[in-house]
Amino acid sequence: SQQGEEDPQALSIQEGENATMNCSYKTSINNLQWYRQNSGRGLVHLILIRSNEREKHSGRLRVTLDTSKKSSSLLITASRAADTASYFCATFSGAGSYQLTFGKGTKLSVIP
Amino acid sequence: DTGVSQNPRHKITKRGQNVTFRCDPISEHNRLYWYRQTLGQGPEFLTYFQNEAQLEKSRLLSDRFSAERPKGSFSTLEIQRTEQGDSAMYLCASRRGQSSYNEQFFGPGTRLTVL
Repeated sequence: SQQGEEDPQALSIQEGENATMNCSYKTSINNLQWYRQNSGRGLVHLILIRSNEREKHSGRLRVTLDTSKKSSSLLITASRAADTASYFCATFSGAGSYQLTFGKGTKLSVIP
Repeated sequence: DTGVSQNPRHKITKRGQNVTFRCDPISEHNRLYWYRQTLGQGPEFLTYFQNEAQLEKSRLLSDRFSAERPKGSFSTLEIQRTEQGDSAMYLCASRRGQSSYNEQFFGPGTRLTVL
């Protein structure tokens, strides 16, 4: 089952603009992770935020987490054409389960 | 490159045939996962190994699916009597250590097409 729901499903922006993707989930979590998937390639881990953290940065990425609203956002600043990919949030509940539960993803297109 | 590798990358088979996929995780990673991804969807968890022990299986893993990791290194995923609904990308991931904060590293996947 898919726990996370990303919003929007698709996003098209110009190079240099910022891109914001949102993720909502249903159950309590231990941590939330964001992954990127380029067309025809495997997933690449971008960033992990723990349930007791509210914000985290990594290069041009900024992730926020609001556990009271069960939501997270991923901000990519100064986007590049190479950022074109699908972005997925994935939650880890840690409640006796080892699985990551992924959302359906946001397809980001960055136009040069 | 010492990343996660999967073989074959593509498999086309006829309905009713059996198929087997292989995953070689990063060498020091003791935890291994299988996921299935269909078009337009995120990956869905299938099963998890810690060393050679299969500790969790999804309800998606019907009786036709079996996974093994006999020596705690590579893993195989077999699908018996394939159905058209099995057509998907099968992804393998591995990670190290005890902490739930360690990232999973994904392989490139095996794309299965059942005719």
